[in-house]
Amino acid sequence: DVKVTQSSRYLVKRTGEKVFLECVQDMDHENMFWYRQDPGLGLRLIYFSYDVKMKEKGDIPEGYSVSREKKERFSLILESASTNQTSMYLCASSRPPGSDQPQHFGDGTRLSIL
Amino acid sequence: GENVEQHPSTLSVQEGDSAVIKCTYSDSASNYFPWYKQELGKGPQLIIDIRSNVGEKKDQRIAVTLNKTAKHFSLHITETQPEDSAVYFCAASISFGNEKLTFGTGTRLTIIP
Repeated sequence: DVKVTQSSRYLVKRTGEKVFLECVQDMDHENMFWYRQDPGLGLRLIYFSYDVKMKEKGDIPEGYSVSREKKERFSLILESASTNQTSMYLCASSRPPGSDQPQHFGDGTRLSIL
Repeated sequence: GENVEQHPSTLSVQEGDSAVIKCTYSDSASNYFPWYKQELGKGPQLIIDIRSNVGEKKDQRIAVTLNKTAKHFSLHITETQPEDSAVYFCAASISFGNEKLTFGTGTRLTIIP
């Protein structure tokens, strides 16, 4: 089974801090994604990466950056955390188009910015 | 860009009855439509998906229908059970497993014993 592991289930940080959310997948997937999930808004794509050191902006990239130094690891970075970034963050991975494999999700990191 | 609308936002169904969740999409180029189930404290899990060259797909008690002309697709759960209680998300993309899955806003399904 595909395993997408997010390093923290719950995280509490302060306004202005630099925050790192880590995600690791064990299936050698090329694509990796970061979403945030808010009530009534569903899942919104922040950034995705289709290869090491490659990244593309999703629908809501403002205030975030990402890093993909190794194929299995995709990090989401909040450069200067703000209260409106309090949310559930979900990481996902998949093979590229044509490979007949869906996106697999981790169990999420619930981030609170105080 | 793509926009996916999902209804209803909440749904309560008596155990054993059927549940239907509907989604509409805006981009006629979309050709892949997955449905995800999210249980409490877990990430979304794929339960069924359909591609645009198929009108209906069934997997035991779960079925998905797609109407490309009207740009809408639906999830049907028959003989509902308490373990079907969860939040369900529809999504759409222009290629399978591609970089951009656009999600609906979710439906919280509650099965009443």
